[in-house]
Amino acid sequence: SYVLTQPISVSVAPGETATITCGGSSIGSRHVHWCQQKPGQAPILVMYYDSDRPSGIPERFSGSNSGNTATLTISRVEAGDEADYYCHVWDSSSDHVVFGGGTKLTVL
Amino acid sequence: EVQLVESGGGLVQPGRSLRLSCGGSGFSFGDYAIHWVRQAPGKGLEWILGISWSSDSIGYADSVKGRFTVSRDNARRLLYLQMNSLKTEDTAVYFCAKDPRYRSGWNSPYFDLWGRGTLVRVSS
Repeated sequence: SYVLTQPISVSVAPGETATITCGGSSIGSRHVHWCQQKPGQAPILVMYYDSDRPSGIPERFSGSNSGNTATLTISRVEAGDEADYYCHVWDSSSDHVVFGGGTKLTVL
Repeated sequence: EVQLVESGGGLVQPGRSLRLSCGGSGFSFGDYAIHWVRQAPGKGLEWILGISWSSDSIGYADSVKGRFTVSRDNARRLLYLQMNSLKTEDTAVYFCAKDPRYRSGWNSPYFDLWGRGTLVRVSS
């Protein structure tokens, strides 16, 4: 089955840039979607189809996908960005949605 | 308000059954595929199943196939998750989530709207 690998944690100071990766075999050939989950809350969509940003999501959030790594980049990080971030893709070989293990973003 | 609301969670013994509901409001519920995603305590997200807008196609994760079934009543704007033969490892918060693609099947989704979840605890 297809596996997505995310770093367990990423730490960044306010105002700096956070880079959260999502690794998978030839992930660049798949569409990658990202959601943000704050403690005790439902997830919200922050990026879809690799680099499309939903309305209401700040322009500070951007995405890319190539080769074996997809990346969610958060520029000028704010305290309110502290959350868990999950990537997911569709695996057509298994007909399953596959989530990465999630990355906890800590704003120092 | 555009929202999904889950209900029906609770404490249940292993081997027993439970039915969850997911209600949608503020959007044309019957025109969108809906999925269930769960999250075990302290763990990540796990997709478990999806149902197309018209109920003509459904997909299940291996972990629940044969034990869980899903149905929807678009007239009542409700979706049901029937969980049978529950195991302790089914303990989780269960979220329903909407795929924003109009009248799509259940495959290749992404999720633009999530409910707040309902907790299912399977324990003797």
